[in-house]
Amino acid sequence: NAGVTQTPKFQVLKTGQSMTLQCAQDMNHNSMYWYRQDPGMGLRLIYYSASEGTTDKGEVPNGYNVSRLNKREFSLRLESAAPSQTSVYFCASILDRGSSYNEQFFGPGTRLTVL
Amino acid sequence: KNEVEQSPQNLTAQEGEFITINCSYSVGISALHWLQQHPGGGIVSLFMLSSGKKKHGRLIATINIQEKHSSLHITASHPRDSAVYICAVRSSLNTDKLIFGTGTRLQVFP
Repeated sequence: NAGVTQTPKFQVLKTGQSMTLQCAQDMNHNSMYWYRQDPGMGLRLIYYSASEGTTDKGEVPNGYNVSRLNKREFSLRLESAAPSQTSVYFCASILDRGSSYNEQFFGPGTRLTVL
Repeated sequence: KNEVEQSPQNLTAQEGEFITINCSYSVGISALHWLQQHPGGGIVSLFMLSSGKKKHGRLIATINIQEKHSSLHITASHPRDSAVYICAVRSSLNTDKLIFGTGTRLQVFP
């Protein structure tokens, strides 16, 4: 099991460029999440997908779009990158979001810098 | 005020010391998670608690549901324990999402 994988690990963009962050999990998890982590702040939820075919906004969705391509894959797209989107992005997954007993697994993170 | 507060924000210790990190929360919860993040690294789940106490090696996590408080203890600390420790709760009203604390940065010196 690879767990949760993310690509790329690092990326530098210029303001206005677009890119897609890829995430995949091989644990047959139903729910997947995208977070951003900024200094001095807790992880903040950007978007999540409770199950294949559904997506919902989190705390900080502006400037992002997501696609739950299939059960395994959940991508995050920045259409027009801004310096405020410089952050570390984590993808995560959980078997069943409704259960208190399920552990959330995180990917290794993508460090994005927007110049 | 954040719904999940951790203390201290930063902690330094000498190798071998007993360490306690605290987490207080203001919402009703169905579960509380303790996570570990090494510098430049990913996030790993250490514990998930809904009551009582759990132990894994030198790590112990406790939770007091009535007081809305959890502690993470590290016995016989070691430099490899240096990391950021993050508390997160799953609200009982909205089990879709975790609410995260800002983390406690621990440095253990030899």
